[in-house]
Amino acid sequence: GAVVSQHPSWVICKSGTSVKIECRSLDFQATTMFWYRQFPKQSLMLMATSNEGSKATYEQGVEKDKFLINHASLTLSTLTVTSAHPEDSSFYICSAKGRLNTEAFFGQGTRLTVV
Amino acid sequence: QQQVKQSPQSLIVQKGGIPIINCAYENTAFDYFPWYQQFPGKGPALLIAIRPDVSEKKEGRFTISFNKSAKQFSLHIMDSQPGDSATYFCAAAYSARQLTFGSGTQLTVLP
Repeated sequence: GAVVSQHPSWVICKSGTSVKIECRSLDFQATTMFWYRQFPKQSLMLMATSNEGSKATYEQGVEKDKFLINHASLTLSTLTVTSAHPEDSSFYICSAKGRLNTEAFFGQGTRLTVV
Repeated sequence: QQQVKQSPQSLIVQKGGIPIINCAYENTAFDYFPWYQQFPGKGPALLIAIRPDVSEKKEGRFTISFNKSAKQFSLHIMDSQPGDSATYFCAAAYSARQLTFGSGTQLTVLP
């Protein structure tokens, strides 16, 4: 399958700072990228969907000013958690899909800990 | 309408056993039903997927059974191994849109 690389795999930041997570499709053009949040022993919760060159569509209850998503190219999307707080600590996962594919390929996830 | 219900929440089998995980959906517009395997601290990885025009699909030790009239589908793992111990998620999507995930099943295969 296609490869989606997510970086960093883990990050610790201080409360009030911002942190950026990158999601790259390495061998295909990702026309659509998805960002998920996963709490321990729970399912993946979709946060937002982004199409290349367009503004992201956020799910209900997700603060778009807090979770900034940029999908400026066909191989890169970024999620920036602004003014992070301890309750933002979670496992963030991206997935990417090409224009003709139904299958979405997942990154390895980023463990964010806000202290 | 968008929900996918998954059971059981956890499952313990002996090595060589055949764990079965079940999912049910409501939205008849769903046309893509994948299963994902997730190890701790890792992203989900696609195991196998099926479309509603077939009732069964087998890839290696993994089999999906699909019952369109009942709006149910299940994952069977043949000859399960301790290395199969992971969390399994079913999902559904329609018209190549975003996936709706089940709640997950934590599988433990005892040696």
